[in-house]
Amino acid sequence: EAGVAQSPRYKIIEKRQSVAFWCNPISGHATLYWYQQILGQGPKLLIQFQNNGVVDDSQLPKDRFSAERLKGVDSTLKIQPAKLEDSAVYLCASSPARVYGYTFGSGTRLTVV
Amino acid sequence: GQQVMQIPQYQHVQEGEDFTTYCNSSTTLSNIQWYKQRPGGHPVFLIQLVKSGEVKKQKRLTFQFGEAKKNSSLHITATQTTDVGTYFCAGGGSNYQLIWGAGTKLIIKP
Repeated sequence: EAGVAQSPRYKIIEKRQSVAFWCNPISGHATLYWYQQILGQGPKLLIQFQNNGVVDDSQLPKDRFSAERLKGVDSTLKIQPAKLEDSAVYLCASSPARVYGYTFGSGTRLTVV
Repeated sequence: GQQVMQIPQYQHVQEGEDFTTYCNSSTTLSNIQWYKQRPGGHPVFLIQLVKSGEVKKQKRLTFQFGEAKKNSSLHITATQTTDVGTYFCAGGGSNYQLIWGAGTKLIIKP
């Protein structure tokens, strides 16, 4: 089966600019997650979708981050405006349901300068 | 909030030596998952444990879930260079949340 697809792989932007990341989960996976991983740290959950509904966005900085999952399939994560501390790898993951292991995409490495 | 502590942060071993990482939670977990992240890569799901006292093996890897479902360990026998990476535990908390440990980095000494 195809894995979780993410794009772009790398992005460099200046602070205060906006950026968007795209994720296509494994077909049929109802649950989709966006994680932020800063170098040397563990993944931090930003938002969790069940189909196209938000289950948990408690750690999403909503003043600058937004995410949507249209039609319960693809998802986009947006940052506007970006700050230097947003430099990280943004990982998308999906699972058949919330009690199963996650399959991660290769991530988008964001550098804010 | 709920936390999962993972130790050690780093472990240096000679190739062929054993490696163990431990995770501890102050609250009872519904399940525990283990992931491996190679340098420059993304986390890869290894296994999930659900039952109290459960032990599972994958070749040289042994995973345990404590009787009280508050702790877990991953033991690798006779490490190989392919085992290099960071191992994360992630415990199932309330409302199906996964609580991630900080990871243990396995380094093979030259």
